[in-house]
Amino acid sequence: SAVISQKPSRDICQRGTSLTIQCQVDSQVTMMFWYRQQPGQSLTLIATANQGSEATYESGFVIDKFPISRPNLTFSTLTVSNMSPEDSSIYLCSVVGQATDTQYFGPGTRLTVL
Amino acid sequence: GEDVEQSLFLSVREGDSSVINCTYTDSSSTYLYWYKQEPGAGLQLLTYIFSNMDMKQDQRLTVLLNKKDKHLSLRIADTQTGDSAIYFCAERTGYSTLTFGKGTMLLVSP
Repeated sequence: SAVISQKPSRDICQRGTSLTIQCQVDSQVTMMFWYRQQPGQSLTLIATANQGSEATYESGFVIDKFPISRPNLTFSTLTVSNMSPEDSSIYLCSVVGQATDTQYFGPGTRLTVL
Repeated sequence: GEDVEQSLFLSVREGDSSVINCTYTDSSSTYLYWYKQEPGAGLQLLTYIFSNMDMKQDQRLTVLLNKKDKHLSLRIADTQTGDSAIYFCAERTGYSTLTFGKGTMLLVSP
């Protein structure tokens, strides 16, 4: 299985600021994703992080709000820009394992925006 | 469109079996997954089943898939208080797109 770490694990931020979340995987993976879990809700896919090219965003999510970088096969960042209280969520990094039938999730970053 | 439904809450006594049910609508699903989320934690992959199988057993966990009815269940034998968590059903369509249910909160009482 893939071991995924995220930094920070939690943060409390002020409205209007930005936060960058890091995701590190212990092995090279082809597919990396960013999900959001709003309070008491299920998970929603934000985007697929593509190595060496622009991320692929799902409907309702845009690059200006959630810029994503993926410089190599083990690392990605998600930035939550110009934050508002509605952005308070858990943000989770996810990867498809080497056995492509498995998908793993990081521990999540719990973001609170005041 | 894709939709995954789960009951929201299940309460059992320690030592009993728990059965968490899930229905999905996309007949092109390739894999179906069960994830566990404990309070304040990320998602832990518990088990998964390929869509051409009808059963998979892994220690205390049994997954049953009725593809005709698009119904998936997770049975936990000898449920323990440590099994208390939210359980998410998810289906995969295409290469890697997962659609999640809203989660079932399992509460195990001593």
